[in-house]
Amino acid sequence: ETGVTQTPRHLVMGMTNKKSLKCEQHLGHNAMYWYKQSAKKPLELMFVYSLEERVENNSVPSRFSPECPNSSHLFLHLHTLQPEDSALYLCASSQESQGLAKNIQYFGAGTRLSVL
Amino acid sequence: AQKITQTQPGMFVQEKEAVTLDCTYDTSDPSYGLFWYKQPSSGEMIFLIYQGSYDQQNATEGRYSLNFQKARKSANLVISASQLGDSAMYFCAMREAKLGANNLFFGTGTRLTVIP
Repeated sequence: ETGVTQTPRHLVMGMTNKKSLKCEQHLGHNAMYWYKQSAKKPLELMFVYSLEERVENNSVPSRFSPECPNSSHLFLHLHTLQPEDSALYLCASSQESQGLAKNIQYFGAGTRLSVL
Repeated sequence: AQKITQTQPGMFVQEKEAVTLDCTYDTSDPSYGLFWYKQPSSGEMIFLIYQGSYDQQNATEGRYSLNFQKARKSANLVISASQLGDSAMYFCAMREAKLGANNLFFGTGTRLTVIP
């Protein structure tokens, strides 16, 4: 148990559906992340929130919309997805300090998303 | 250019033997951190071990040790006395201090299988 909980664990949705992924961290961290993990590709950073402000959006399509209402919760809202968006979506959190390389990211178990 | 390279897509090791998983990295930042994560089939990314670029000694955590060769830019993970539960994907990652929270770069991973 890493202290980062993701729900649901599995999700199947059609291309016209709207769904949301939820992440909650119980570690008192001040930064949260969404990653996409596709087969045989490195983890791709999608969004970063630090102190509840979005600081990074790595050119993610607008059909993915993040929300961070407070430092413990992170959502990823999904709409009109494509089959190539099927992947494992991982949430992580860390305690960020400026310029310090050791800020360890702790991950949840992920949501395995299938888009039909 | 790839920041992190893991050249072994798959490795096999006999139970109770030691195994080395390779990782090379590329950075011009003098301050950086190197991480290893384990991902079992359940999906959760589990933090294993950290090595800072200025650390004088190789990091160790229980059965895990990191063979850090700075001049060669390599950070190989050594698992001693392998157990069946060590079968998983293993990812090497790097963070450069100067760029802050959004730049944890991952390799493509190595799948380790422990043979009874």
